[in-house]
Amino acid sequence: AQKVTQAQTEISVVEKEDVTLDCVYETRDTTYYLFWYKQPPSGELVFLIRRNSFDEQNEISGRYSWNFQKSTSSFNFTITASQVVDSAVYFCALKSVVQGAQKLVFGQGTRLTINP
Amino acid sequence: DTGVSQDPRHKITKRGQNVTFRCDPISEHNRLYWYRQTLGQGPEFLTYFQNEAQLEKSRLLSDRFSAERPKGSFSTLEIQRTEQGDSAMYLCASQKETGSGETQYFGPGTRLLVL
Repeated sequence: AQKVTQAQTEISVVEKEDVTLDCVYETRDTTYYLFWYKQPPSGELVFLIRRNSFDEQNEISGRYSWNFQKSTSSFNFTITASQVVDSAVYFCALKSVVQGAQKLVFGQGTRLTINP
Repeated sequence: DTGVSQDPRHKITKRGQNVTFRCDPISEHNRLYWYRQTLGQGPEFLTYFQNEAQLEKSRLLSDRFSAERPKGSFSTLEIQRTEQGDSAMYLCASQKETGSGETQYFGPGTRLLVL
């Protein structure tokens, strides 16, 4: 069975601090994809990044960076110099490449609050 | 491309009533997914369509739920005889191809409250 765990339910930091959101996943598949989505108060899930299981290179996009470590089954997300607009719920998700639905399995989410 | 749209955005209904939600996917996306999200949880898969064919349904989808995607374009999700436990956000997502690496893009959701 596939499972995603986001152990941090809520995080609150002051603006300009760096913050890391943890994601640990479980799967028996050797090939899979990992995703991060952002859900602002409006409710829409906004896609942030997709990473396949064979690509362990870290990725940086502006203030966002992702650290994928297959050895520890983790796909952590760091926001550098956080801003109030980063306040949202962030979800990590896993998708199998096995034939079929290819549905996303989500973690419970981390509610991030950036205080001015 | 316009994004995924859902209608209505909010729905309040009384227990026992039927409700129907609509999802319009991104143009030419042949896969369409429905997820349900309860308070404080991540979205959970309900069902998906490959063009007009409904290919998989989750155990979460009781027989009071039915989904359609006529002509492989928009989709509807109907809940009959609503119960208070159906209160949730219903999210629709579309995906361009059948490739496993493709990204699912989500709509704004329909927030259902059953009184």
